[in-house]
Amino acid sequence: GNSVTQMEGPVTLSEEAFLTINCTYTATGYPSLFWYVQYPGEGLQLLLKATKADDKGSNKGFEATYRKETTSFHLEKGSVQVSDSAVYFCALSPNAGNMLTFGGGTRLMVKP
Amino acid sequence: GAGVSQTPSNKVTEKGKYVELRCDPISGHTALYWYRQSLGQGPEFLIYFQGTGAADDSGLPNDRFFAVRPEGSVSTLKIQRTERGDSAVYLCASSSGQGGETDTQYFGPGTRLTVL
Repeated sequence: GNSVTQMEGPVTLSEEAFLTINCTYTATGYPSLFWYVQYPGEGLQLLLKATKADDKGSNKGFEATYRKETTSFHLEKGSVQVSDSAVYFCALSPNAGNMLTFGGGTRLMVKP
Repeated sequence: GAGVSQTPSNKVTEKGKYVELRCDPISGHTALYWYRQSLGQGPEFLIYFQGTGAADDSGLPNDRFFAVRPEGSVSTLKIQRTERGDSAVYLCASSSGQGGETDTQYFGPGTRLTVL
């Protein structure tokens, strides 16, 4: 079946540090890949997505590239801010409109 | 426009009781999903509706869980004979249902269910 594995947190960084959160997946065919973010006290929000190999999703300074050869979709940001503190979830769907399979989430804490 | 709404935001019940959780999707969205998120974990799929019918209910953990969407809009997740292990945040999401790259799922704020 489909599965998503992401690095365990918490990840603690100082403001302006470089961020990488690793995500790898197992799926048949060509899934769509997503990063969702959950800020404290708020619901899940789509951060970015990529629907085919080599696509790069980007939003709010975050980027992730769909790497089929390594079955990965690592999340990166060049300079994190305190406001980026949240839980980040990597997810896939076998087709863009079908159910999502989520990783376990990675908590990011950014200190001033 | 309004996003996905869920009621109640919090529900505390006793073991063995029956509960109903409601989801109002984004207007015009034909696809509706229910997920369950236990503490410290990622959401897990429960059931997916396309219109009024359950297109995929493979994630429902057992026959105590049931969901309906009689008019293709509002959905209700029903849990019978609740158990302490049912305690979690229940999330609802909706999407346009048209498939393709633009068919993004938008999540509601969730209902936190606590079974004492």
